[in-house]
Amino acid sequence: GAGVSQSPSNKVTEKGKDVELRCDPISGHTALYWYRQSLGQGLEFLIYFQGNSAPDKSGLPSDRFSAERTGGSVSTLTIQRTQQEDSAVYLCASSQIGTGELFFGEGSRLTVL
Amino acid sequence: AQRVTQPEKLLSVFKGAPVELKCNYSYSGSPELFWYVQYSRQRLQLLLRHISRESIKGFTADLNKGETSFHLKKPFAQEEDSAMYYCALVAGGTSYGKLTFGQGTILTVHP
Repeated sequence: GAGVSQSPSNKVTEKGKDVELRCDPISGHTALYWYRQSLGQGLEFLIYFQGNSAPDKSGLPSDRFSAERTGGSVSTLTIQRTQQEDSAVYLCASSQIGTGELFFGEGSRLTVL
Repeated sequence: AQRVTQPEKLLSVFKGAPVELKCNYSYSGSPELFWYVQYSRQRLQLLLRHISRESIKGFTADLNKGETSFHLKKPFAQEEDSAMYYCALVAGGTSYGKLTFGQGTILTVHP
């Protein structure tokens, strides 16, 4: 595709449910990132995948959050037992290593009731 | 650990006035710094990077290692500059890749 694709664009769920957010990066980009965007918190780093290296998970806020990247392409961010404070826009980005230019998706807006 | 601070959450100016969005960073090594912008209903995108030393849409930013700052400036603001602006840092060079972002500044340019 022409850009980073994320789905769903909007997700409303009940507290305690699990959610999965999907990211399809730009073909050929070896690096993939997940960030969380919320009012007052700015852009919060969650996790970073680079090629075959072990992912940098240092930003995941709790063990309810996990992410995987299959075949070096599509990534899924999973939030288990969602809480109201998980409500935010989850942004995915991809890049070619060495450029510092991230290409962002439109985000998945998660609302936990 | 690296940190990026944008002290102003909101900044309002009138069209034609100069604008400066502040960014300070904390990092012991040699960082690479960027400004990203998100216009209304658009994706977050790269505006400029310090290593390019370029002017994009009239904006410039100079890395001041002594003051650990990377402020974004434009001499004459336009209404279309209204957006959310994020300052970002890559530690250890772009070979590592992970960007740390500041909290963002919402710029509003009034007619």
